[in-house]
Amino acid sequence: ETGVTQTPRHLVMGMTNKKSLKCEQHLGHNAMYWYKQSAKKPLELMFVYNFKEQTENNSVPSRFSPECPNSSHLFLHLHTLQPEDSALYLCASRPGQGARQETQYFGPGTRLLVL
Amino acid sequence: AQSVTQLDSQVPVFEEAPVELRCNYSSSVSVYLFWYVQYPNQGLQLLLKYLSGSTLVKGINGFEAEFNKSQTSFHLRKPSVHISDTAEYFCAVRLNTDKLIFGTGTRLQVFP
Repeated sequence: ETGVTQTPRHLVMGMTNKKSLKCEQHLGHNAMYWYKQSAKKPLELMFVYNFKEQTENNSVPSRFSPECPNSSHLFLHLHTLQPEDSALYLCASRPGQGARQETQYFGPGTRLLVL
Repeated sequence: AQSVTQLDSQVPVFEEAPVELRCNYSSSVSVYLFWYVQYPNQGLQLLLKYLSGSTLVKGINGFEAEFNKSQTSFHLRKPSVHISDTAEYFCAVRLNTDKLIFGTGTRLQVFP
């Protein structure tokens, strides 16, 4: 248990649906991340937020829309997804900057299936 | 450019045997290295990390890793594995404050 929670844990959606993934941490961390983990592929960084500001968008399609209303919450809004978007979506948080602050702590993930 | 190579995609081993999971990296900046473990249907959990100091790093669950600068390696070892160690193991190197570069993972399968 790392203190990073994600809901829902599983999600099935059609290509025309709109849904949102939620990530929450009350660890006092300053940075939050979304990653995509697909079978037989390396972990893909999607978005990074530092102090609620987006600092990284790793060429992610616009059908994925992140939102960070405060340092403790991160959302990933999904709309008109494709079957190839089916994957495990992982949220992570990081305490701050500097050697001992840069460890990332991961949530359990949301398993997404797009039909 | 930084990169991480995990040469072994799968490592089968019998229970109570020793195991080594290999990780090689390339980096042009200060090296911070990490090993994460992912159990089935779960997120990634930090096993251990090297930031500086002693090159032998001890982590949770009896795992340890040795930072070897000359060989640019950070291999993970455990002297005696358990069935419960069956999982996917990921090596990662710091790219910058915001980013880690992950390897493709090694699936450790422990047999009774």
